[in-house]
Amino acid sequence: QVQLVQSGAEVKKPGASVKVSCKASGYTFTSYGISWVRQAPGQGLEWMGWISAYSGNTKYAQKLQGRVTMTTDTSTSTAYMELRSLRSDDTAVYYCARTPPTGISYYYMDVWGKGTTVAVSS
Amino acid sequence: QSVLTQPPSASGTPGQRVTISCSGSTSSIGSNTVNWYQQLPGTAPKLLIYSINQRPSGVPDRFSGSKSGTSASLAISGLQSDDEADYYCAAWDDSLNGQVFGGGTKLTVL
Repeated sequence: QVQLVQSGAEVKKPGASVKVSCKASGYTFTSYGISWVRQAPGQGLEWMGWISAYSGNTKYAQKLQGRVTMTTDTSTSTAYMELRSLRSDDTAVYYCARTPPTGISYYYMDVWGKGTTVAVSS
Repeated sequence: QSVLTQPPSASGTPGQRVTISCSGSTSSIGSNTVNWYQQLPGTAPKLLIYSINQRPSGVPDRFSGSKSGTSASLAISGLQSDDEADYYCAAWDDSLNGQVFGGGTKLTVL
C-alpha cells in the first residue's frame, strides 16, 4: 500500500536548522511530487512548498523563501525538507504528502505521512 | 489570518445534513479547483474531496463538494459520530503562487 514514513521528533534551539525526511513506498516515487505542510499547536494547516520527484523542480511558500529547501533522493525514494534559522513560531507538526502530477489549477495532496513534531525552544 | 474563509465551527445531529462553506477570491477559488481535507483528532489530514467534487476511493458518497464563483461548499449527509473532525478547504492561489488553506471548521456531532 502507498505509505509515507517520516522521521522522528526533533527538539532544536532558536537559530538552528532541522531536516525532516519522508520515505515513500508502494508507488513509483518519480511519478509524483511531494508537498510539505505544517501545523502549529492548536492551529490550522500551512502549505510550505512542493517538489517534483521527477525533475527536482520546487515551489516554496513566499513567507519561507530563503529559509526552506526541499530535496529528493530517488535512489531511496525519500524526500527531505530542511528549515533553517529556526524560531519559536516554527514549532509545529510537519507533514509530507504525495502530490499527483496534475496542473497547478488541480493541485491536491492524496496521501499524507503521520507527521514529525519539531519543537524550537531555548 | 487564512486566505480562505471558513466558519470556525459547525454542528449537527446524527442523520442530519450539514454544509461547510469556504470563501476565497478570484485568484484562488475563482480560478482553480477546491479540495477538502478531514482531520480526525490527533491524526494527519486525509483527502476527502478533490477537484471540487471528486471523491477518492474509499470516501463514502455521503460527502460531496460544490463550487460557485469564488466560494465552495462541503456537504455531509447522514451525519455520523465518526464525522466529528476538523475540515479544511484548500485551493491554489495564482497571486500567491502557492496552495492556500481555510482556517478549518470544527464539526461537532451532537
